[in-house]
Amino acid sequence: DSGVTQTPKHLITATGQRVTLRCSPRSGDLSVYWYQQSLDQGLQFLIQYYNGEERAKGNILERFSAQQFPDLHSELNLSSLELGDSALYFCASSAGNPHYEQYFGPGTRLTVT
Amino acid sequence: KNQVEQSPQSLIILEGKNCTLQCNYTVSPFSNLRWYKQDTGRGPVSLTIMTFSENTKSNGRYTATLDADTKQSSLHITASQLSDSASYICVVSDSSGGGADGLTFGKGTHLIIQP
Repeated sequence: DSGVTQTPKHLITATGQRVTLRCSPRSGDLSVYWYQQSLDQGLQFLIQYYNGEERAKGNILERFSAQQFPDLHSELNLSSLELGDSALYFCASSAGNPHYEQYFGPGTRLTVT
Repeated sequence: KNQVEQSPQSLIILEGKNCTLQCNYTVSPFSNLRWYKQDTGRGPVSLTIMTFSENTKSNGRYTATLDADTKQSSLHITASQLSDSASYICVVSDSSGGGADGLTFGKGTHLIIQP
């Protein structure tokens, strides 16, 4: 158990809908990262927050947004969903600098039908 | 552009045998290289992290090597077990900026251990 929690575990929704994925980092970790992993694809970095502020952005679509709250939990919002958004979404956390240890959560499996 | 290439893409070996996975990178400037193990449908788990000055690092039956001159790393698994069946991901970070956008992920090697 990495100490990072993600909810829900599974999510099934229809095209055009909007969903919110939630992540709670390990106790004391200030940085939260979101990744997307499509079937048979590598991990794609989406966005990083550090202590409530956006720190780095990767290949995140304009339909997606995220935020980190004062209690350090984070939410990833996905809107106008398309079939191609079906994937595993992972959250990870670290104490600060991501160039050292990142701890990954169990992931949320999103299926768009 | 920073890149991380892993080989082979997939590998099947018999339980008890050894294997070596490769990672070649063109990330610059180099900060560190890490190997993750990812079981199917689960989050990646860190196996080793190596900085520029480290040539070898072990974690149980897993041994990672790093050649910073040739920009190559390998992950050697000794006496494989069925539980080693997973994807192994190589991640290289550059030393610029400090944000997660400085991480470059390989696509992984899918390892299957057969009894």
